[in-house]
Amino acid sequence: DQQVKQNSPSLSVQEGRISILNCDYTNSMFDYFLWYKKYPAEGPTFLISISSIKDKNEDGRFTVFLNKSAKHLSLHIVPSQPGDSAVYFCAALISGSARQLTFGSGTQLTVLP
Amino acid sequence: DTAVSQTPKYLVTQMGNDKSIKCEQNLGHDTMYWYKQDSKKFLKIMFSYNNKELIINETVPNRFSPKSPDKAHLNLHINSLELGDSAVYFCASSPLVDNEQFFGPGTRLTVL
Repeated sequence: DQQVKQNSPSLSVQEGRISILNCDYTNSMFDYFLWYKKYPAEGPTFLISISSIKDKNEDGRFTVFLNKSAKHLSLHIVPSQPGDSAVYFCAALISGSARQLTFGSGTQLTVLP
Repeated sequence: DTAVSQTPKYLVTQMGNDKSIKCEQNLGHDTMYWYKQDSKKFLKIMFSYNNKELIINETVPNRFSPKSPDKAHLNLHINSLELGDSAVYFCASSPLVDNEQFFGPGTRLTVL
């Protein structure tokens, strides 16, 4: 039972254009969402996060949007750069003592020069 | 300086053996975690642990046991290894009052 879903296993974008990665969740108890970036043979690296009390969080070229009614979030990267090519994982958690992340299956982003 | 480190990076062993993976964090974090990434690339929580509480994912077999000698270390012991245990195992840590988790580089375990 996947509580966090990333339905696009891969995405290709031209350098300089916008990359939009999508994520859906089913558990309405999730109140904090994170995006991680992962290169081959490395651990996931934290990118950006958003609390359920917000609908947008921006950090440089990265913006995360949260639509709670649709249980949907998206990560926008603009402008996309070749170094952004990686697997992007969406993750969610319920704040509290456990704070265990539930991950989506990841989207492989390829930014073409 | 590596924030979260794991050893070994690769581990190849025979079915039925007992093995350990070590994890250390130098971030001063209170909570540590173990995740398993299976062949389908899903990252799934196995344990979360701080000096007060161990939370075990109910799907984890009891052959897996975390051991924490101190706040900076959380080792993963696996008894009677099975073929299905082959995966990449990631250690992570986070501060007590923050939700961001920092991951180690992973240990690729192959059971023959």
